[in-house]
Amino acid sequence: SAVISQKPSRDICQRGTSLTIQCQVDSQVTMMFWYRQQPGQSLTLIATANQGSEATYESGFVIDKFPISRPNLTFSTLTVSNMSPEDSSIYLCSVEGGRTDTQYFGPGTRLTVL
Amino acid sequence: AQKVTQAQTEISVVEKEDVTLDCVYETRDTTYYLFWYKQPPSGELVFLIRRNSFDEQNEISGRYSWNFQKSTSSFNFTITASQVVDSAVYFCALEPGTYKYIFGTGTRLKVLA
Repeated sequence: SAVISQKPSRDICQRGTSLTIQCQVDSQVTMMFWYRQQPGQSLTLIATANQGSEATYESGFVIDKFPISRPNLTFSTLTVSNMSPEDSSIYLCSVEGGRTDTQYFGPGTRLTVL
Repeated sequence: AQKVTQAQTEISVVEKEDVTLDCVYETRDTTYYLFWYKQPPSGELVFLIRRNSFDEQNEISGRYSWNFQKSTSSFNFTITASQVVDSAVYFCALEPGTYKYIFGTGTRLKVLA
């Protein structure tokens, strides 16, 4: 399985600011995914990021709020823009591992917005 | 509708007890995949098992076993002789052939020493 790292691991931010989360994979992958997990809740898919194309956002998530970059096959960023306390969540990236159709997850970024 | 239901919000057991976590899914697709993930307090999601819709064989891996029954749309997970390190939130997920996962709400397992 792929080894996935995320930066930062956690952050505390002020309302109205933006935070960019990085996701790095140790091998080339086609599909990368960004999820949000609000406190005590399940995971919700924000968007799918494929290299060389615009990210595909799920219902309820928009590019202006969660811009995503995917400059190459091993790296992606998610920005949480103009943050409010409701954005306090764990943000996880995942990649689909080769032929197995299995998603492997990064360690997550714990975001607290004051 | 496509949905995953984990009706057990939280389960507490004493160490060495067996425990079964329930997962019921809904999908109209004939080809789909089911998964279990473990999320310990540290927050990362750890992959446990993947099962495709054509393979109803039960699987055992050490103290873990999974029972997949298409007739009842269930994919239950049993931990035998539970240990404190098994304490975590466990998520069941469905991929109905679209690469997008649908997660259940999770079951928090507490194993008491």
